[in-house]
Amino acid sequence: QSALTQPASVSGSPGQSITISCTGTSSDVGHSIYNYVSWFQQHPGRAPKLMISEVSNRPSGVSSRFSGSKSGNTASLTISGLQAEDEADYYCSSYTTTSTLVVFGGGTKLTVL
Amino acid sequence: QVQLVESGGGVVEPGRSLRLSCAASAFSFSRNAMHWVRQAPGKGLEWLAVISYDGSNNYYADSVKGRFTISRDNSKNTLDLQMNSLRAEDTAVYYCACLEGATNYWGRGTLVTVSS
Repeated sequence: QSALTQPASVSGSPGQSITISCTGTSSDVGHSIYNYVSWFQQHPGRAPKLMISEVSNRPSGVSSRFSGSKSGNTASLTISGLQAEDEADYYCSSYTTTSTLVVFGGGTKLTVL
Repeated sequence: QVQLVESGGGVVEPGRSLRLSCAASAFSFSRNAMHWVRQAPGKGLEWLAVISYDGSNNYYADSVKGRFTISRDNSKNTLDLQMNSLRAEDTAVYYCACLEGATNYWGRGTLVTVSS
């Protein structure tokens, strides 16, 4: 069982917006000081790619259609204007104040209908 | 161009040991903490371990604590993962990664298969 909870799957049609949630605790996602939530995209057979760092920061080269936010113990990744190439697995991760330091979510499979 | 190249994977019997290595190039390896992350076939990402930039601190996932050891050699820009007492459930692709906010790099991974 993953430390962070994500929906197993989400789907949307091209052009629509979808949101993937990532629920943790006050020791990780919901920590009052640290904002170290990241989102990764992974296509089959490929290494993960960073899409969002530190809750809402978009690295250079990542489409502005991707955005991140956080409320309480839940972080969210929103993809607007869905495109076929967005179909992939998405993972959240967070630093945690527990002894393990880093935790991942179980992953969400995004299907573009 | 930043490169992280893992090596050392293969087939190993349960209970045996294996050492993975990761060679880094074209980024400030010695200034960044480094991680190992794995992915079992058809499963999600699992964080395993992290070592501080200077090697003075490390943390492990409960699933590998006491069996795996992370280490680094900043003079050679290499990161290692010593894996002992391997189990079937350790079968996975193992990635080395730099996960420092926007400084985010991943290798292509190396496959470890634990099987008799």
